[in-house]
Amino acid sequence: DAGITQSPRHKVTETGTPVTLRCHQTENHRYMYWYRQDPGHGLRLIHYSYGVKDTDKGEVSDGYSVSRSKTEDFLLTLESATSSQTSVYFCAISESPDRGNSPLHFGNGTRLTVT
Amino acid sequence: AQKVTQAQTEISVVEKEDVTLDCVYETRDTTYYLFWYKQPPSGELVFLIRRNSFDEQNEISGRYSWNFQKSTSSFNFTITASQVVDSAVYFCALTTLGGGADGLTFGKGTHLIIQP
Repeated sequence: DAGITQSPRHKVTETGTPVTLRCHQTENHRYMYWYRQDPGHGLRLIHYSYGVKDTDKGEVSDGYSVSRSKTEDFLLTLESATSSQTSVYFCAISESPDRGNSPLHFGNGTRLTVT
Repeated sequence: AQKVTQAQTEISVVEKEDVTLDCVYETRDTTYYLFWYKQPPSGELVFLIRRNSFDEQNEISGRYSWNFQKSTSSFNFTITASQVVDSAVYFCALTTLGGGADGLTFGKGTHLIIQP
């Protein structure tokens, strides 16, 4: 199994509070991703990173920010959580997706509930 | 833009039946890669297979087989002699050469229920 750890695994927070989710990898892969999974929508890309301090937006980036100060850590921040951000969040890593043939390997997910 | 359609939201079969999960994709690129992932009830996402657009040879792995047809833009997944442990949500995904850096485009998934 790919060495990916997401923390926390579960979190309940109130509307308007900031929340940070952490993804830590031990594979030294350059590319890291944050997806959210919602019923009826499958997996949708929030943000991704192609190196330290190099990040870009995905399909559903509004309301989220990311940071990558070290190769092994990719943080996802909800500056002011809303109920629409209740979801399961998955981190993924990839070795060389620019060649298109590298699969993503996923962490076990973080279940976030915003009340 | 690229798109993956999994028209079957949920499939329920009795154990030992064969079942096929459909995946239809759209892309303008001539070089692309297709993937299948499994998400069991425990929630993790498990990589099953990768196929590139230049290789239309079907692949078999035990009870699993994949049928890639460029003519119909489909990459279907068949489970032979299904078992209860095959119950899961299955996702088909697509990426293109050069576009892979921004992740995969996923279908919405097919929930497969294998009844004992």
